[in-house]
Amino acid sequence: GAVVSQHPSRVICKSGTSVKIECRSLDFQATTMFWYRQFPKQSLMLMATSNEGSKATYEQGVEKDKFLINHASLTLSTLTVTSAHPEDSSFYICSARPGLPLAYEQYFGPGTRLTVT
Amino acid sequence: AQSVTQPDIHITVSEGASLELRCNYSYGATPYLFWYVQSPGQGLQLLLKYFSGDTLVQGIKGFEAEFKRSQSSFNLRKPSVHWSDAAEYFCAVGAASGNQFYFGTGTSLTVIP
Repeated sequence: GAVVSQHPSRVICKSGTSVKIECRSLDFQATTMFWYRQFPKQSLMLMATSNEGSKATYEQGVEKDKFLINHASLTLSTLTVTSAHPEDSSFYICSARPGLPLAYEQYFGPGTRLTVT
Repeated sequence: AQSVTQPDIHITVSEGASLELRCNYSYGATPYLFWYVQSPGQGLQLLLKYFSGDTLVQGIKGFEAEFKRSQSSFNLRKPSVHWSDAAEYFCAVGAASGNQFYFGTGTSLTVIP
């Protein structure tokens, strides 16, 4: 149980275009989903926290107009990188947190490798 | 402030040798502690977690970790390392009352034959 999927696993896009990444909790309802960014050989950096039906909360320094997050249902959150540039190339990982009694756990997706050319 | 420190950026061990990866945390509330493993280009896989109770927790793949409150540590151990254990290991701390996980910077493990 507690499986989180991400789609696509890899995406290459041209500079200036937008790309959408989906994060789904397959066998549980996620009250909260998180989006992380990971640079090569570095730790995970939390970008934003999203709760179903409400606006995402972005971490300091993360451009909310560039990284659009939508959490339309209890099983789906999307991250859209708008007007992507090469510096947005990174590994993006989502995680999902169930409601009680497992609210202290997070289950991670397999990640999405974004390359902007 | 909450933080997680993994003092060892990179560790190399011989296959069959024992392993200990260090993790120290600073957290204002009762911590929930986790160890994750990440293979290249992959997501995070949970190895084990500690919430309460017995301070020695067993995880998958033969890993265990011991919570020592007095030392604010949660070190990961394995008695005999396999070549397939080569990966990046992350320690994380969280709490039921908050959303955020705080990750350490990771320890890269190399296993030599």
